[in-house]
Amino acid sequence: DAKTTQPTSMDCAEGRAANLPCNHSTISGNEYVYWYRQIHSQGPQYIIHGLKNNETNEMASLIITEDRKSSTLILPHATLRDTAVYYCIVRPLGSSGNTGKLIFGQGTTLQVKP
Amino acid sequence: EAGVTQSPTHLIKTRGQQATLRCSPISGHTSVYWYQQALGLGLQFLLWYDEGEERNRGNFPPRFSGRQFPNYSSELNVNALELEDSALYLCASSQTDRSSWPGELFFGEGSRLTVL
Repeated sequence: DAKTTQPTSMDCAEGRAANLPCNHSTISGNEYVYWYRQIHSQGPQYIIHGLKNNETNEMASLIITEDRKSSTLILPHATLRDTAVYYCIVRPLGSSGNTGKLIFGQGTTLQVKP
Repeated sequence: EAGVTQSPTHLIKTRGQQATLRCSPISGHTSVYWYQQALGLGLQFLLWYDEGEERNRGNFPPRFSGRQFPNYSSELNVNALELEDSALYLCASSQTDRSSWPGELFFGEGSRLTVL
């Protein structure tokens, strides 16, 4: 089962920042937070991941609360092409057992509007 | 650099038949993952192969099987097809360099299987 909770859907105006929240209150100390997105009928695309520090790359920023129980993905200037389902996933580090797979929840459908 | 490639793009079968889907990972990646995405549903983990071995399996019946070849490409086989097997089947690959574990998964565009 997915270990994250996300809103089902969100709207954002084009050009504005999109802030997508994720609750992962049962996260363990050895688990990363990953974000992927899936544009309609395409394969999911990796966005960003982090452990406890805030992270930024060319696509987005990831803000993780100090207690690590929640995080926010920020798309600084949303465009129409950012309309997609965004998945927040927790995944343990390490190479043993079932740590390789990602467990996807239902995600948040972000609709960017002109 | 080529991404994850899957074939065929579309496949139509009838109930009871077998389907074989193929996946070529990104060069240098040794792990391959298979996911099922039925219409309107989320991605369900099917199988994970690493270095030719099955490492983990999702909650699917044994008629879903697969293998990974020495060149790290992979096949997913679905036997005795049922109508509810109609879905988008996604393959992903990742590096298994333990120093950078866990690496991100790179997904292909999927194979859409329709069972009539």
